[in-house]
Amino acid sequence: TQLLEQSPQFLSIQEGENLTVYCNSSSVFSSLQWYRQEPGEGPVLLVTVVTGGEVKKLKRLTFQFGDARKDSSLHITAAQPGDTGLYLCAGETSNDYKLSFGAGTTVTVRA
Amino acid sequence: NAGVTQTPKFQVLKTGQSMTLQCAQDMNHNSMYWYRQDPGMGLRLIYYSASEGTTDKGEVPNGYNVSRLNKREFSLRLESAAPSQTSVYFCASSDSGQRYEQYFGPGTRLTVT
Repeated sequence: TQLLEQSPQFLSIQEGENLTVYCNSSSVFSSLQWYRQEPGEGPVLLVTVVTGGEVKKLKRLTFQFGDARKDSSLHITAAQPGDTGLYLCAGETSNDYKLSFGAGTTVTVRA
Repeated sequence: NAGVTQTPKFQVLKTGQSMTLQCAQDMNHNSMYWYRQDPGMGLRLIYYSASEGTTDKGEVPNGYNVSRLNKREFSLRLESAAPSQTSVYFCASSDSGQRYEQYFGPGTRLTVT
């Protein structure tokens, strides 16, 4: 059983549409990170959120950390084919040098 | 800066063979990690090293050993490979003062027949 549940598992949309990916848990996190992974490569860090209710924007990507620090969402506005990839959330639960990763959401943006 | 490098990129082993996956980072990070990635299961931590001279088990350590050779290098050894170890292996490093944000290598795709 994964500590972090991501939904949906797969998402296929047309270029220009919006999408939201969710990351949920029953545990409280000190921080939560989002990564994007392209085929054949390692994950790359997009953002870290730390404070409950925090919202961070990275161009067309908006990340939100839940008030209780148990969940997070990633919203992409006007998706482009370059947004295609596997999106992973990862949480820090305690001061033990480790992160727990969700299983990921595979996003495909069709031109 | 090369970041995190891993060798080899691809490997095919027969059941029972052994091999070592190499990882090096040039970011002066204290912590290093080995993960495996399987379809639908995300990244699972095999072993990690919080700092030079220490190693600890992660979620799926059975069948693996690690060595933190120095601050830069962290190797993963499979003593007797099994088909269940077919996977993509990623090494990562982090500066422990930065929320354990991970910097990943390009991965090693391992097939055990």
